Amino acid sequence: ETGVTQTPRHLVMGMTNKKSLKCEQHLGHNAMYWYKQSAKKPLELMFVYNFKEQTENNSVPSRFSPECPNSSHLFLHLHTLQPEDSALYLCASSQAKGTSRYNEQFFGPGTRLTVL
Amino acid sequence: QKEVEQNSGPLSVPEGAIASLNCTYSDRVSQSFFWYRQYSGKSPELIMSIYSNGDKEDGRFTAQLNKASQYVSLLIRDSQPSDSATYLCAVRGGSQGNLIFGKGTKLSVKP
Repeated sequence: ETGVTQTPRHLVMGMTNKKSLKCEQHLGHNAMYWYKQSAKKPLELMFVYNFKEQTENNSVPSRFSPECPNSSHLFLHLHTLQPEDSALYLCASSQAKGTSRYNEQFFGPGTRLTVL
Repeated sequence: QKEVEQNSGPLSVPEGAIASLNCTYSDRVSQSFFWYRQYSGKSPELIMSIYSNGDKEDGRFTAQLNKASQYVSLLIRDSQPSDSATYLCAVRGGSQGNLIFGKGTKLSVKP
């Protein structure tokens, strides 16, 4: 257990569905991240939130919509996805800048998403 | 385009041997380097971080950093079958210090 939880762990959805992924961190961190991990490809950073403010959107299609209501919770809202969006979606958190452990990122267990 | 390169493997070593995993990176100003272990079907787990040139040891793991050569490695001594996993190298890059990951090296430790 890393102190980062994600729900659901598995999700199957059709291309017309709307669903949300949830992430919660219990580490007192101030930064949270969404990553996508597909087979044979490196981890792809999707979004970064520092102190609840989105600081990076890595050219992610608008069918993925993040939300960060506070520094402990992060959501990824999904709509009209494509089959190629099937992947493992990972949430991570880290300590804020200015600390010696900055950017040691800790991952949640991930959500395995299948888009039919 | 900042890149992190790793040999995809698989790297196969016998139990008890030293496993050596290598990583090179393209961003010369990178300052922080990390090794993650990822078991099949699981999420990445941070096992080592290194910030200065030289070696850093933690139990059976030693991380080595050479910034001049833009090279970071992970040595696993007395390898065990439970060390069989994919090892991801990550380098801090970008204006916000975000991590850039390599594709990972798959390690197989044979009993």
